[in-house]
Order: sequence, then structure tokens, then C-alpha cells
Amino acid sequence: QVLLQESGPGLVKPSETLSLTCTVSGDSVSSAYYWGWIRQPPGKGLEWIGVVWHDVNSYYNPSLESRVSISIDTSTNQFSLRLRSVTAADTAVYYCARRHQLGIGQWGQFDYWGQGILVAVSS
Amino acid sequence: DIQMTQSPSALSAAVGDRVSFTCRASQNINSYLNWYQHQPGKAPRLLIFAASRLQSGVPSRFSASGSGTDFTLTITSLESEDYATYYCQQSYSSPYTFGQGTKLDLK
Repeated sequence: QVLLQESGPGLVKPSETLSLTCTVSGDSVSSAYYWGWIRQPPGKGLEWIGVVWHDVNSYYNPSLESRVSISIDTSTNQFSLRLRSVTAADTAVYYCARRHQLGIGQWGQFDYWGQGILVAVSS
Repeated sequence: DIQMTQSPSALSAAVGDRVSFTCRASQNINSYLNWYQHQPGKAPRLLIFAASRLQSGVPSRFSASGSGTDFTLTITSLESEDYATYYCQQSYSSPYTFGQGTKLDLK
């Protein structure tokens, strides 16, 4: 069974950097899958943030690309999200998830998700 | 960006009912369409990938169809644990956008 668990501060001040970690068990972050982040602002739908593969390939939502980075730490089997210069609009529940490859016969679905962590941006 | 539009935004149904939700993409996404179930406080759950393929462990009362721009998720004979919000997501091109969701609640 693959399990993902988000961790990090629940409160970040405006203009600072939001940093979250996702701990993976039951799979390796060095496996064939992508690892990514999705968020849900209060009362709104899901927003794809980005994904990373082997700390080599990463793809980000263009709306966030100038502020976001996702990295992998194989020594701890974790991957992390950093979002710079946050504002109140970045207040959301942040989910980490495992994503399948895209290509012939591969469909890019997120098959395992963490429970989510609420991060509020406020002074 | 590809816009994903779900309808209805909310739906009330009783246990045992058959319900269907639709999802429309703003451009052709072939079969790169996934469906998720999300209950409050829980991790979203993958139900369907590749437009119509049932994820392992998902009950057979869930089914889906469609390709191109129009997609449908159907639940035959609703059970109490099915009350949730359902999201479609396209994995055809970045950014991999989600629909705004259809909230299914108890009638």
C-alpha cells in the first residue's frame, strides 16, 4: 500500500516562502512515477501545482511557475514543495500525490494522494 | 489552458438511485480524462482513468464513458459512502486542469 503524508507549517506570513514535505511509504520516489502537488483554496476546486520525476524533469502550472519549485530527496524518500512570495491567495489545503507517466498507454492519473495539509497565509 | 466544465454543480439523490455527471473539455483531450471522488477531510480517491478504465479496488457500480470533449461518470445504485464531490481532470496537456466539481448529497 502506497501512503503519502504532508507535513509543514500551517501558517506562513505574506511575502515569505511556503515549504511543505511529502513523505512516501510503500514506493520509492526514485521509481517510474512522477510526484506532485495539488491545492484547494477554501470553497474552491482543485488546482494542479506541478510534478517532478527523479529530480530531473519538472513541470509546473504556468500561473505559479515563477514562484514554485518541487524537489526530491531520495535519502529520505520525500519530495518537497517551495512556493515563494506567498499572499492570502495561496491559502489552501495542499495535497501531495503520485502521478503515472504520460504516453502511449499511460494516462497521467494521480492514483495515490495524501490527506492534505491546510496552510494559511496571514500576518 | 484547457477549461474543464462539470455539470451539474450539485445534485441530490437517494440511496439506490442512478446518477450521472458530465464533464466537458474546452478542446479535444482524446481519452486523457480522470475522475476523482473527494470527501471532506479525506484524500481524493481515483475512480476512473483514461476516460473509462476503472481503478483497481473501485466498485463496479462506478462507470464512465466519453472521448474528445464530452465525458460522463455514472453511479448505478448509490450507496451511502458515495456522497462526495466528484472532480474530472484532464491529463492531455499542461496545466493539468480540474473541473470545478459536482457535489453529490443526500436527498
